[in-house]
Amino acid sequence: GENVEQHPSTLSVQEGDSAVIKCTYSDSASNYFPWYKQELGKRPQLIIDIRSNVGEKKDQRIAVTLNKTAKHFSLHITETQPEDSAVYFCAASTYGNKLVFGAGTILRVKS
Amino acid sequence: DAGITQSPRHKVTETGTPVTLRCHQTENHRYMYWYRQDPGHGLRLIHYSYGVKDTDKGEVSDGYSVSRSKTEDFLLTLESATSSQTSVYFCATNREGQPQHFGDGTRLSIL
Repeated sequence: GENVEQHPSTLSVQEGDSAVIKCTYSDSASNYFPWYKQELGKRPQLIIDIRSNVGEKKDQRIAVTLNKTAKHFSLHITETQPEDSAVYFCAASTYGNKLVFGAGTILRVKS
Repeated sequence: DAGITQSPRHKVTETGTPVTLRCHQTENHRYMYWYRQDPGHGLRLIHYSYGVKDTDKGEVSDGYSVSRSKTEDFLLTLESATSSQTSVYFCATNREGQPQHFGDGTRLSIL
């Protein structure tokens, strides 16, 4: 079955810097890759997603890139702000069902 | 999101007792999922449903059963709770090809 690895497990950046979180997946049939943000004690919330027919997607300060050949995808956050501090999870699936999640990245934005 | 209500929000029980968690949605979504979240593991799929009375196992289904007798309700049952099932449980729902959205979670402690 699918296996998703996520790195780094923790990431500290200075406010205003960029943050990059990387994930690799094992199943070449996976075609949907969402990213979720989870604040302490809250539910995971979708922040961006990408499908395998697209190489990059942007939404304001957030972007996701996908390399199908290498089977990895990355989350890029620019101009980080203290409110970006949270745990971020990547996931992979076919057609949006049966998501397999990475272990998560704790992002700390220092002001 | 998606009008998802999980109940109870918190529960403490003893080893060997049966426990049922409820997920209720008001969006008429076809797909519903149960995940558990543990430190270092991200979210792991327990069971999912693709319609009334249609369910299937996820990656960590041992010790759990589910039922879906109505579109809006998806029940997760621990027949005989064990301490290893102490976790935070999240329900999620989606339509075909659309992102999954999560409920607020149930924190379950088994002593």
